[in-house]
Amino acid sequence: NAGVTQTPKFQVLKTGQSMTLQCAQDMNHNSMYWYRQDPGMGLRLIYYSASEGTTDKGEVPNGYNVSRLNKREFSLRLESAAPSQTSVYFCASSPPRTGDQPQHFGDGTRLSIL
Amino acid sequence: QKEVEQDPGPLSVPEGAIVSLNCTYSNSAFQYFMWYRQYSRKGPELLMYTYSSGNKEDGRFTAQVDKSSKYISLFIRDSQPSDSATYLCAMTAARGENTPLVFGKGTRLSVIA
Repeated sequence: NAGVTQTPKFQVLKTGQSMTLQCAQDMNHNSMYWYRQDPGMGLRLIYYSASEGTTDKGEVPNGYNVSRLNKREFSLRLESAAPSQTSVYFCASSPPRTGDQPQHFGDGTRLSIL
Repeated sequence: QKEVEQDPGPLSVPEGAIVSLNCTYSNSAFQYFMWYRQYSRKGPELLMYTYSSGNKEDGRFTAQVDKSSKYISLFIRDSQPSDSATYLCAMTAARGENTPLVFGKGTRLSVIA
């Protein structure tokens, strides 16, 4: 029972490099989400995908792009990494009707931008 | 004012104490309320889930929602060192796919043996 799987778990980048964070879920959930978590800031939503083929901006989308590759996979791309994007990134998924059943999270990708 | 306010702590209590964690919110449309627990270097995991006002109990954990005061609480009875974690409240207004959760910043709890 893998749930939500994120790869890689750790990554160090130089400023200006690009990077794609991968997320896959095996629970047949419709909705998927990308968050970043910074000290003192809590979880902030970057992008989400309510269903396959749709994506929407969250609270902090600037500097990021997403792709909902299929129902299982939702990737987050940093085209030109900046030190301000140093963070822990979490992917989550939920079944239809978010209010009925809450989100399930992966264990995060720890990203450092030098 | 943020939609959801949560005291970040840290909160340190002795083993066996009763712990009270709280969140306030400003959006009166919120009606689904959750508490997540996050251990160090792990993702948040769902602890409690309640709809609208009232209480819900699960073992040593009790979640309370007071919609009239826009205030939610999580109580932990007989706290254990294994309860040491960050606790995040989360809430949403509706049941549709386009209503993401809004999270508090989390309260870091340490239970000392």
